[in-house]
Amino acid sequence: QKEVEQDPGPLSVPEGAIVSLNCTYSNSAFQYFMWYRQYSRKGPELLMYTYSSGNKEDGRFTAQVDKSSKYISLFIRDSQPSDSATYLCAPNYGQNFVFGPGTRLSVLP
Amino acid sequence: NAGVTQTPKFRVLKTGQSMTLLCAQDMNHEYMYWYRQDPGMGLRLIHYSVGEGTTAKGEVPDGYNVSRLKKQNFLLGLESAAPSQTSVYFCASSYRLGGTDTQYFGPGTRLTVL
Repeated sequence: QKEVEQDPGPLSVPEGAIVSLNCTYSNSAFQYFMWYRQYSRKGPELLMYTYSSGNKEDGRFTAQVDKSSKYISLFIRDSQPSDSATYLCAPNYGQNFVFGPGTRLSVLP
Repeated sequence: NAGVTQTPKFRVLKTGQSMTLLCAQDMNHEYMYWYRQDPGMGLRLIHYSVGEGTTAKGEVPDGYNVSRLKKQNFLLGLESAAPSQTSVYFCASSYRLGGTDTQYFGPGTRLTVL
């Protein structure tokens, strides 16, 4: 089993849809949960992060962590064509960090 | 601030050739990283550095060497390139290691080994 898994997609949705991106992990020691966004032919950039279990909201984006089931979600409300990118989850603790393979999202106008 | 820059942006090598990828950051970060990104595999850590003069192995270090002679630069070397090293290489830097600290990525180097 890979340490972090994501549905690779591509996921195509119409503009304005609610998007749910999901990630599962196997290492129960992970404490911090980052989401990076990567546009085509660019480097990843941090979108948001959460610590331990719970929700965190930032504008149209909500990150949710359920440590009991080792499940991480990123929700995008009112999705826009500019949200079209690959989304990488990246759990970590201390010097142990790993990136998921990413989910490619296309938001169609 | 330029952030993290990488040189070159593209390169084509023949099997057995050598090359060095240069990463530079102007954010005074202690930590620097080299990753490779392949379809379906995500970002995999090759080597990293926790400060000037230090280096450490990551998940996939074989076939690569690194050096951090200056705090702002992190070099990745391929001594004898192989087709399996065809990939997109990203450099990143951060102020701290892990936790909520952000890694800042460069634009990547696309390497093809024939």
